[in-house]
This record gives sequence, structure tokens and C-alpha cells, in this order.
Amino acid sequence: GNSVTQMEGPVTLSEEAFLTINCTYTATGYPSLFWYVQYPGEGLQLLLKATKADDKGSNKGFEATYRKETTSFHLEKGSVQVSDSAVYFCALSGDGGATNKLIFGTGTLLAVQP
Amino acid sequence: DSGVTQTPKHLITATGQRVTLRCSPRSGDLSVYWYQQSLDQGLQFLIQYYNGEERAKGNILERFSAQQFPDLHSELNLSSLELGDSALYFCASSVRQLAGGYNEQFFGPGTRLTVL
Repeated sequence: GNSVTQMEGPVTLSEEAFLTINCTYTATGYPSLFWYVQYPGEGLQLLLKATKADDKGSNKGFEATYRKETTSFHLEKGSVQVSDSAVYFCALSGDGGATNKLIFGTGTLLAVQP
Repeated sequence: DSGVTQTPKHLITATGQRVTLRCSPRSGDLSVYWYQQSLDQGLQFLIQYYNGEERAKGNILERFSAQQFPDLHSELNLSSLELGDSALYFCASSVRQLAGGYNEQFFGPGTRLTVL
């Protein structure tokens, strides 16, 4: 079945460092891809999305490009801030079935130190 | 604020008991999804309703059930609770199912269930 694999955390960075969180997927058909963020004690918020190959999603300085050839959707940010500390989830939907349920990766904890 | 509300925020109960979690979707959203977030299983899809009808089931136990009412709010019922049911339960909503699989879901703040 469809699945998402993302890099284990925690990822600890200093402020203004470059961030990459790797995400790869296995899917039949043409899924949509998402990054969700979960701040401490809160629910999930959609960070960015891409609905077809070569699409680039971007928001708040974060970017991810839908790469069909490598089945990847890596999250990047050029300069992280302390306020970016959170858990990041890669997800896909649109598995071709009757539902648009989201399938999530295990989440990556990002800790940014001042 | 996503516009999705969930009550209660926290729930503490004992093994063997039954609880009901409530979700109100964003205004105009017809689809409601339930997810469970636990340390060992991660984030897992439980069940989806669309305009009052069950649309899909995921890894939902037989002890769990859900429904969506005419006003589109949804309830998740968990019965014969076990210690392992302790988790964060999220509700999400979306406008409708769009062809092609694109589906932006908006999540509520979750209900944290603790079974003692």
C-alpha cells in the first residue's frame, strides 16, 4: 500500500542554519503531497502542498518540490528560526480509492537553538 | 485557528469505560476525518464521513464507532477502553472530495484521551 518515509529526528540546528528534512513516498497513481507542522500542544497545520510532479510548494520560507522520478518531497528552509521548532509531518493523499485520507510519515522533531 | 473545533480538550477515564469525542467541522465542509496519534503507531487514519455517510475506514477497532449528524458535526465513540487507547484524537475537515486526489484537510486541536 501507499506509505511515507521521513528522516528520523530529532534534528537540532542553530538559528539561521539551513534545514532539510527528507521525505520519500511509495504510491500508486498520482498522489498529492503535503507537509504539516505541529507546534507543541497544538493540532496540525498545513505548511505547504504540491498536487502534481515538479510542483513546488512554499510557505513561510519553507519549500518542497514534488519529484516523481525520485518519489521525494524534501522540506527545505534557508534560515531557520527558534520559532520553527516543532514536529514536521510529510503526508500524501489521493490513493485512487474512495477516500482522500492522509497517510503520514512518522514525523521529525526540529529543535532550533538560539 | 483552523475553524475546526473539538471537545473535550482532555479526557481521563478508566479501563472498560466508554467515551464520546465531538468534532465540529469548518463551516461549509462536508467531509470529516478522524485520526489517532499515539507514540507507538504515529498518526493513523481511523474513519471518514462525507455528508452524513461513512466513506472510508482505516485502522479503526471494532470497539470504536463514529457518525456524522445532519448538522455535519461528528462524534467518535470509544468503548471498552484499554490502556493502549490512550492517544491524541484529531478531527479534520475538508470541503468535499475533489477528483484527482487533491484534498486540503484542516485539523482541530485534538482531544487527549488518557485511560487509567
